Amino acid sequence: GAVVSQHPSWVICKSGTSVKIECRSLDFQATTMFWYRQFPKQSLMLMATSNEGSKATYEQGVEKDKFLINHASLTLSTLTVTSAHPEDSSFYICSASGDSRHSNQPQHFGDGTRLSIL
Amino acid sequence: QKEVEQDPGPLSVPEGAIVSLNCTYSNSAFQYFMWYRQYSRKGPELLMYTYSSGNKEDGRFTAQVDKSSKYISLFIRDSQPSDSATYLCAGERSLNTGFQKLVFGTGTRLLVSP
Repeated sequence: GAVVSQHPSWVICKSGTSVKIECRSLDFQATTMFWYRQFPKQSLMLMATSNEGSKATYEQGVEKDKFLINHASLTLSTLTVTSAHPEDSSFYICSASGDSRHSNQPQHFGDGTRLSIL
Repeated sequence: QKEVEQDPGPLSVPEGAIVSLNCTYSNSAFQYFMWYRQYSRKGPELLMYTYSSGNKEDGRFTAQVDKSSKYISLFIRDSQPSDSATYLCAGERSLNTGFQKLVFGTGTRLLVSP
């Protein structure tokens, strides 16, 4: 149980284009979804948290106009990297849980999306 | 000072060995602690989820939390080559928004040789 699917797993695109990444919870209702970024040999860094039907809450230093998050249903969240540039190249990972405002709601992760901007 | 500190390794052990992975943390606000396993180019997989000080066992894995010394451990018995991965520890604390936030260590890379 607690399967999270992320798509695509790898994307290469030209600088200036926008890229959309999908995160789906397959067998549970994900009231809260999270988006992380991971650089090689570094820890996962939380970018934003979203509850279904609400606006995302972004971590300090993360541009909300650059990284658009939509969490319109209990099973789907999307991250759109707008006007992507080479410095946006990274490994993006989503996770999902029950309502994170309650305790004892472990996060379950997708397999990540490797984004390469040329 | 990082909120969660973890030795990046690599830690190399022979098959069948008992593995000890450790983290320290500085933020007393952490309430829950997790261990995740991450294979190369994959997302983290939840292994253990603990709240209180003490031990929690699940198969070959035992998680240990000592809140007085801010020290968390993961023990793997009878280690297998398939256990070779990066192991991430994380603490969970509440944000002002009411959401819970995971703070990860950098991960320890484990190599189990046949």
